[in-house]
This record gives sequence, structure tokens and C-alpha cells, in this order.
Amino acid sequence: DQQVKQNSPSLSVQEGRISILNCDYTNSMFDYFLWYKKYPAEGPTFLISISSIKDKNEDGRFTVFLNKSAKHLSLHIVPSQPGDSAVYFCAAITQAGTALIFGKGTTLSVSS
Amino acid sequence: KAGVTQTPRYLIKTRGQQVTLSCSPISGHRSVSWYQQTPGQGLQFLFEYFSETQRNKGNFPGRFSGRQFSNSRSEMNVSTLELGDSALYLCASSRGGGRGSPLHFGNGTRLTVT
Repeated sequence: DQQVKQNSPSLSVQEGRISILNCDYTNSMFDYFLWYKKYPAEGPTFLISISSIKDKNEDGRFTVFLNKSAKHLSLHIVPSQPGDSAVYFCAAITQAGTALIFGKGTTLSVSS
Repeated sequence: KAGVTQTPRYLIKTRGQQVTLSCSPISGHRSVSWYQQTPGQGLQFLFEYFSETQRNKGNFPGRFSGRQFSNSRSEMNVSTLELGDSALYLCASSRGGGRGSPLHFGNGTRLTVT
């Protein structure tokens, strides 16, 4: 049973526009969420995170929004750049957990 | 500071064989996690080790096993390989594991089972 779901396998956006990547989760015990970015032939790299006590966290062009009641989070990239083209993974962990649970990923393509 | 190193980068094995993958974490990191990445399933958690002890295990058959050494280096073993074991195996390290320590991933070992 997939506890973290990324229902859009792919997303295409034009350079300069906003990219919005979505993630849903089912486990109400998750209280910390992360986004990782992965380029081909490389391991995932940490991008941004958010605790369940917040509803928004911002880091430069990247903002993560959390809606706990809907068990939904989203990653906004503004403005999108061609170098942002990668696979984005949403991940979650419980307070006492030691293992990140990942979604299946969304492939973002930013065209110039 | 050197990153997480995984060896080998590529492996080709035959069904029924066994394989051992190696992971050297970032210096000072005591937690090592292993993940399997396949096109249809994304990143699936295999197990996590901290100070030579397995703290957490994912939902994989017993053919998948691992261990961690006193220097925090880790190995993962898969016995009686099946075609479905073909995947990218990723190792990640962190200082203590859990929510306070972001994972740092290696570039993975690409295993192909024929």
C-alpha cells in the first residue's frame, strides 16, 4: 500500500513559469516531509523540507506548502529553469521513524 | 568532504546467483539506509543500520540482507537473484537517521539480472 503518492508521473513547464508538484499521503503519523531531486545517473539530493507544525517553508525559488487536513503537500518552483528538469521525489517520516518513505516521483521537464 | 561512495557502479548477474553491494558513508555519519529504485515503484526502503544494528526494515523478502561494520561502511547482499531484482540500488547516509538528519545519497549500483 503506497503511503506517499505522487499521482502525476510527469509535468512539462515553460522556462520562467511556475512548476507545481503535488504529493498526497495516507499515514496520519507522518509529521515531517521532504522533497528530493534526482538527475539521471546521480543519487537524489535533498531540496527542501517542512515540519507538520508549519504550513509553508520557503527557500529561494522553492516553496513547499503543507495542508494537513487534506494530507497533501506541494512543491512550487518559481521561476522554473531548464536546470530544474529532473525527477522530484516526495518523502515523509514519522516522529519516531528512522526511515524515509518515498513516493514514486514526478519527472519535471522545463523547456526554454 | 567526500560523499557517499557505492561500488560497483554496474553489475550484471545471472538468475540464481548472489550479489554483494558496498557503501561507504560520509565521514562521521553513523546511519546507513538502502533503497531500491525501479521505474514502476520509485524508491522503496530496504533497511537502515545505525552503529552496526539494523533499526528498521522494509517489506522485502529474506533474500535481501545487509550489515554494517564498525567503521559505518555497509554491505547489502541479495541471494538467489530473480529477474525482478534488476534495479538501481541506492545507499544513503546521515548523522543519526530520522527526521533531523537529511539523507545524503550515493550514485547507486545498477544491477541487471539476466
